[in-house]
Amino acid sequence: EIVMTQSPATLSVSPGERATLSCRASLSVSSNLAWYQQKPGQAPRLLIYGASTRATGIPARFSGSGSGTEFTLTISSLQSEDFAVYYCQQYNDWAFTFGPGTKVDIK
Amino acid sequence: QITLKESGPTLVKPTQTLTLTCTFSGFSLSTSGLGVGWIRQPPGKALEWLALIYWDDDKRYNPSLKSRLTITKDTSENQVVLTMTNMDPVDTATYYCAHRLAVVGPIRVFDYWGQGTLVTVSS
Repeated sequence: EIVMTQSPATLSVSPGERATLSCRASLSVSSNLAWYQQKPGQAPRLLIYGASTRATGIPARFSGSGSGTEFTLTISSLQSEDFAVYYCQQYNDWAFTFGPGTKVDIK
Repeated sequence: QITLKESGPTLVKPTQTLTLTCTFSGFSLSTSGLGVGWIRQPPGKALEWLALIYWDDDKRYNPSLKSRLTITKDTSENQVVLTMTNMDPVDTATYYCAHRLAVVGPIRVFDYWGQGTLVTVSS
C-alpha cells in the first residue's frame, strides 16, 4: 500500500494570502494524484487531478504541481470559502489511498 | 445534473452485515467508462476508499478490506449496493458513494459525491 503523508497538519493563513500545502507518497505515483477540499458536514469536492488539472468549475487560484513522490497544492489568494480541510489521493495503483489531510484555518 | 444518495441503516450491531444502497441520477452505469465508488470517513478522521464498480461490471476493492466487501450494480434501477460483513465498532464512519470522473484513461478520482450516511456500530 502506498502511504500518503501531508504537511503541515494545520496551516493558519490570513485571507488574501498564499497557501502552500504538501503531499508526499511513499512510492512514486507518477502524476496520478488528486486533491480534494472538504468543509465541515460536507462531502469532499474534487479540485485537482493528474497532479495539475483543475476539475470543472474550480477557480484558477487553485493550482497543483509535482510528480513522483512530491506534490504541492497552492491557493494563490485565500478567500473566506477556502478555509477547509484538504486531502490528497493517489490512484497510481488499485489500492487508492488518501492522505491524512491539511486543515487550513484563519490566522 | 448528477446526484447520488446513500441509504441504509444508521446503527448496526457488531458481527452483523451492513448493506448500503447508492441511488443515483443524471448518468447511466451502462455507459462506457463510468463507475461508482464507495469511500468512508470515521468521525474526525481521513477518507478511506472501499470499492469501485465500472459500467462493464469490473469490480475493485481495497485490499485490506476485500474479504469483507461486495459491490454490485443494478443498472435498470440506477443503484449500486455495497455490503460489508462482520461489522466492528472501528467501522463506525460516514459512508459516501461517488461518481468516478468520466475521462479517458485510468483517472480514478471522484467528482460527484453523495451527502454521506453515518453508520454507527454498537451493541
